[in-house]
Amino acid sequence: NAGVTQTPKFRVLKTGQSMTLLCAQDMNHEYMYWYRQDPGMGLRLIHYSVGEGTTAKGEVPDGYNVSRLKKQNFLLGLESAAPSQTSVYFCASLGGSYEQYFGPGTRLTVT
Amino acid sequence: AQSVAQPEDQVNVAEGNPLTVKCTYSVSGNPYLFWYVQYPNRGLQFLLKYITGDNLVKGSYGFEAEFNKSQTSFHLKKPSALVSDSALYFCAVSRGSTLGRLYFGRGTQLTVWP
Repeated sequence: NAGVTQTPKFRVLKTGQSMTLLCAQDMNHEYMYWYRQDPGMGLRLIHYSVGEGTTAKGEVPDGYNVSRLKKQNFLLGLESAAPSQTSVYFCASLGGSYEQYFGPGTRLTVT
Repeated sequence: AQSVAQPEDQVNVAEGNPLTVKCTYSVSGNPYLFWYVQYPNRGLQFLLKYITGDNLVKGSYGFEAEFNKSQTSFHLKKPSALVSDSALYFCAVSRGSTLGRLYFGRGTQLTVWP
């Protein structure tokens, strides 16, 4: 039981490049989330999904897209990266007792 | 709108002393309250939660928190701090169970010195 995993762990992009972050969970959870963590800002919700095939915007969705084609996977895409998207990205899934399970994070730097 | 305030960016305490990390919240409706801990270069780990019932909740690693509805607070406490408790602590709130959406505070860095 791996819990929540994220790929890749680190990435450096140039401005304007695109990439996809992959989140996978093996706990059969319906709800999944993408957050970004910036110093002094806590975690902010980018997008979330309440089930396969459904997604919704969170607090800071601009510049990101997501897809949930399979229940266990939640993808976060950056179509044209900007330096303001330099951050640590966390994926999470919601357990049956309301607590969220977090992945180890992806550290993204956009130059 | 939902929000969480953690008024202290840093809390420093000596090992063996009690610790408190403060959290106040604003939410419409019944709050679901959580504490998470983050160790360096790691994801967040769940510590404890308040959903309903007894205002004093106990969690992992000897931590506890008290829900105070009148003061809209949910302070994290531990009777005797350990050096290994040093980490970044986040308070979070959701409104009822609304899709599990959490609103996080900015975090409090706890340092326990030997």
